[in-house]
Amino acid sequence: LAKTTQPISMDSYEGQEVNITCSHNNIATNDYITWYQQFPSQGPRFIIQGYKTKVTNEVASLFIPADRKSSTLSLPRVSLSDTAVYYCLVGEVLTGGGNKLTFGTGTQLKVEL
Amino acid sequence: DAGVIQSPRHEVTEMGQEVTLRCKPISGHDYLFWYRQTMMRGLELLIYFNNNVPIDDSGMPEDRFSAKMPNASFSTLKIQPSEPRDSAVYFCASSSASGGATGELFFGEGSRLTVL
Repeated sequence: LAKTTQPISMDSYEGQEVNITCSHNNIATNDYITWYQQFPSQGPRFIIQGYKTKVTNEVASLFIPADRKSSTLSLPRVSLSDTAVYYCLVGEVLTGGGNKLTFGTGTQLKVEL
Repeated sequence: DAGVIQSPRHEVTEMGQEVTLRCKPISGHDYLFWYRQTMMRGLELLIYFNNNVPIDDSGMPEDRFSAKMPNASFSTLKIQPSEPRDSAVYFCASSSASGGATGELFFGEGSRLTVL
């Protein structure tokens, strides 16, 4: 079973709010939910991370319902520069320490004028 | 801090040659990860280290791949012999102790490998 499921692609226009939802039905008690952004020819960049409820930073908000089986990344007032692939990850905390992060296919967000 | 530094940024080699990719993690980070990205398979975790010790190498494709971390500031990923199917972008990432446990990784710019 896939660790996370998210839409393959989304289109938006400048100035709009974009919400990308990710499903993670098998999330474990100790898992955190993390979102990354990747531009072409660059490494993924951390956007936001949460465990439950709502988290907000200067870039985005992350909404996590009580059952934690899904999460929604919210990007307010997107611009052309937000065109990128967005990955939802659920951390698998290992007994030996560390975190075996599995990246899914990601969501290609395209922002147009 | 300069961030995670990888070299070379681009490498073109012929099948059968040895390839060595290098990574300098962010100073003070306890975890180092090697990922591979292709169009077909996306981002795959190959191996990760904690305090220079390999913790999980189950993602390493086969014996042709090996990774080392001789000290806290340097890691290598070696492919010997290389094959065309190894062509990909290889990313190195590092994280602090808390970040490694919860998922905040810092990625390098990647090394794009082309095996002819």
